[in-house]
Amino acid sequence: AQSVTQPDIHITVSEGASLELRCNYSYGATPYLFWYVQSPGQGLQLLLKYFSGDTLVQGIKGFEAEFKRSQSSFNLRKPSVHWSDAAEYFCHAGNNRKLIWGLGTSLAVNP
Amino acid sequence: DAGVTQSPTHLIKTRGQQVTLRCSPKSGHDTVSWYQQALGQGPQFIFQYYEEEERQRGNFPDRFSGHQFPNYSSELNVNALLLGDSALYLCASSLVGQGFEGAFFGQGTRLTVV
Repeated sequence: AQSVTQPDIHITVSEGASLELRCNYSYGATPYLFWYVQSPGQGLQLLLKYFSGDTLVQGIKGFEAEFKRSQSSFNLRKPSVHWSDAAEYFCHAGNNRKLIWGLGTSLAVNP
Repeated sequence: DAGVTQSPTHLIKTRGQQVTLRCSPKSGHDTVSWYQQALGQGPQFIFQYYEEEERQRGNFPDRFSGHQFPNYSSELNVNALLLGDSALYLCASSLVGQGFEGAFFGQGTRLTVV
């Protein structure tokens, strides 16, 4: 069955530390892959996306993600976390036929 | 350039009532998708509208219906409200024919059913 898994429900990091949020997908053919961020009480904002080509994609707010076909993963990274990065992060896979979301990873940032 | 706008921002309804939520897509976008997000959960796809027709539908009952107007704006209607319909309803717009570019989301409508 098609699925998107975010193994970490909650992560806490210190400000200035590096961050990696994991996302694994099961989709048959490689889907389009996205990361979204949702601040409390807000809608979702697109951080970055992968369609094809370079497997390391750059996004907004200093985030990047790496697509690894062999591991069916699309992990989100940031070298130095800021307090304002505290939010819910969603991995999303889809095409024009089917859209699947992960359950999200809640990020807390300690000062 | 306004992004995706949704109205109202908050709404309280009673069980059994009907509700209509509205969405105006980002300028230049022609496709609108609706999502339901329960507290602590990821978004659940309800349906997508393009060219004033429902193109895709998630696993939601017929109580959930929608409409898209010629100006691409959209409405989500929910009949016979249940307590379990309480959630954040998100509208997302995108542009068909440009590849699957990802969607731009509105701030959502928080629906509380009492």
